[in-house]
Amino acid sequence: DQQVKQNSPSLSVQEGRISILNCDYTNSMFDYFLWYKKYPAEGPTFLISISSIKDKNEDGRFTVFLNKSAKHLSLHIVPSQPGDSAVYFCAASDDNDMRFGAGTRLTVKP
Amino acid sequence: GAVVSQHPSRVICKSGTSVKIECRSLDFQATTMFWYRQFPKQSLMLMATSNEGSKATYEQGVEKDKFLINHASLTLSTLTVTSAHPEDSSFYICSARAPGQQPQHFGDGTRLSIL
Repeated sequence: DQQVKQNSPSLSVQEGRISILNCDYTNSMFDYFLWYKKYPAEGPTFLISISSIKDKNEDGRFTVFLNKSAKHLSLHIVPSQPGDSAVYFCAASDDNDMRFGAGTRLTVKP
Repeated sequence: GAVVSQHPSRVICKSGTSVKIECRSLDFQATTMFWYRQFPKQSLMLMATSNEGSKATYEQGVEKDKFLINHASLTLSTLTVTSAHPEDSSFYICSARAPGQQPQHFGDGTRLSIL
């Protein structure tokens, strides 16, 4: 069962513009949410996270928004840079488990 | 720098061979390590949770006799793919987490190709 869904397999944006990656989850027990960035042939790299007690967390160009009632989170990257081109996985976890979405391939064009 | 080291990064071997993959946490003790498998254009699929000093917990559908996991110390977990076949070809990734902390940190993965 897909407890975490990223419905957009790919996203293309122009350099300097905002990238918005979306993620939905179904398990209300998840209380911690993460975004990972992955380059080909490498393991995922942690990017940013948010606890369920918050609705926003910002770190430089990256902001994660959480809407618990909608079971939805999003990652905003602004301004987008070509080096941001990668696959982005969202993940949702509780004390014992972490589930990943299928990933969204972001391409930032110069 | 890397906090989780995974080795080897790539393995090519014949069908029937057993392959061992190591996952080490470099600067923290990991009572729990995780093993994932990634198919092309798909998500990371959790295979098993490795607990130091006890048996691993396998996800439904994962053959524990096929994928042997040993978590011998607080910094090392190994995954052995026994009698590997071409359908076992995949990208295997481990992760580790310090007790009671987030996030998980991932190794760089192992590309396993069975001929």
